[in-house]
Amino acid sequence: GESVGLHLPTLSVQEGDNSIINCAYSNSASDYFIWYKQESGKGPQFIIDIRSNMDKRQGQRVTVLLNKTVKHLSLQIAATQPGDSAVYFCAENIAPDTNAGGTSYGKLTFGQGTILTVHP
Amino acid sequence: DVKVTQSSRYLVKRTGEKVFLECVQDMDHENMFWYRQDPGLGLRLIYFSYDVKMKEKGDIPEGYSVSREKKERFSLILESASTNQTSMYLCASSRSGTGKEKLFFGSGTQLSVL
Repeated sequence: GESVGLHLPTLSVQEGDNSIINCAYSNSASDYFIWYKQESGKGPQFIIDIRSNMDKRQGQRVTVLLNKTVKHLSLQIAATQPGDSAVYFCAENIAPDTNAGGTSYGKLTFGQGTILTVHP
Repeated sequence: DVKVTQSSRYLVKRTGEKVFLECVQDMDHENMFWYRQDPGLGLRLIYFSYDVKMKEKGDIPEGYSVSREKKERFSLILESASTNQTSMYLCASSRSGTGKEKLFFGSGTQLSVL
């Protein structure tokens, strides 16, 4: 899974297999999470998001699971295809602490990314 | 679909030059963001803007400034480019400023400072 550091985690799967990409977050105040896919030479594209009042959310071939107890987020891709090969980023919204003088505008903080390679 | 357009795909500049990176969005979004992306470090927020002429520092604002004179346009300025500012720069926009909405990204500008 993703963690602070300079070495990007990698995941290699065969076409048709299911993929699971993991992300650990550290801030218990985070209340919104989002997954992006970035293909080579392109900007990140939205995949799916989830709010902290949910444990699971499903999209087309993708499922995001949120475990707040252990501060863990995962992205499951069903029947992975070669076109799914990309770098996947998780991001969290850390709600601003306005009582401490923080801005009232939240912002997304991104993980370092995971490289997914799908072999035909 | 929302379109976020960055004016240049590749830029090569010299140390000490003033560099402008331009970004335009076409969906009347309130908020715009500049990130830089470096291998192994993910995306780091430089500056963001929640309204015309308003700006907020992100996590790594040093060496950068921004300008938002019109709602659809957000410019990133490197006052005096340095080699450690060689990076991929990504512009993004979102409808509101809560942080609980998805960002729409441009394709990025790969800046090389020699």
